[in-house]
Amino acid sequence: DARVTQTPRHKVTEMGQEVTMRCQPILGHNTVFWYRQTMMQGLELLAYFRNRAPLDDSGMPKDRFSAEMPDATLATLKIQPSEPRDSAVYFCASGPRSPGGYTFGSGTRLTVV
Amino acid sequence: DQQVKQNSPSLSVQEGRISILNCDYTNSMFDYFLWYKKYPAEGPTFLISISSIKDKNEDGRFTVFLNKSAKHLSLHIVPSQPGDSAVYFCAANTNAGKSTFGDGTTLTVKP
Repeated sequence: DARVTQTPRHKVTEMGQEVTMRCQPILGHNTVFWYRQTMMQGLELLAYFRNRAPLDDSGMPKDRFSAEMPDATLATLKIQPSEPRDSAVYFCASGPRSPGGYTFGSGTRLTVV
Repeated sequence: DQQVKQNSPSLSVQEGRISILNCDYTNSMFDYFLWYKKYPAEGPTFLISISSIKDKNEDGRFTVFLNKSAKHLSLHIVPSQPGDSAVYFCAANTNAGKSTFGDGTTLTVKP
């Protein structure tokens, strides 16, 4: 059963520290998304890639966030420096190019204290 | 500017009855609409979708209706079961595959 793998599942860090979240998309999926879910909001799109190229990262705070796909099996989301307001669950999702539902990972729950 | 809106944060129905979850959108460029279901501590899972050229799609107990002129879609669950209790997200895709989500509706099905 193919799945999107996210690590770590939980992360607690101090304000100002760098945080790196990783995602292994499903093999063969060429579209990868990063979403953030806070207590008060739904799923907020941060960035997405097709064939490893960034297509849209307009939802991401550029001064502290960065998203990359070093290769087809790994997507990363970095926050540097982290702030308490970054506390949320970060989801990665992947899918094929054709219309349809995307497969989500279980998320990384980030707490910045 | 929220392009996909789910105006009801929560919905409670009795087991066996119909659940109707609603979603409105503003962007005419959306060409595919989806519903996802989410349990606590898990990622959303894809449930059902509909192309903008259709007005209805059915899959077992789940039916999605699309009214393009009103920019409105709905998800019907009949009959509702306690296991359907979850957060339901509406999403809309552009032809570039960009997926925009609503804030979700928490459905509670009471035994």
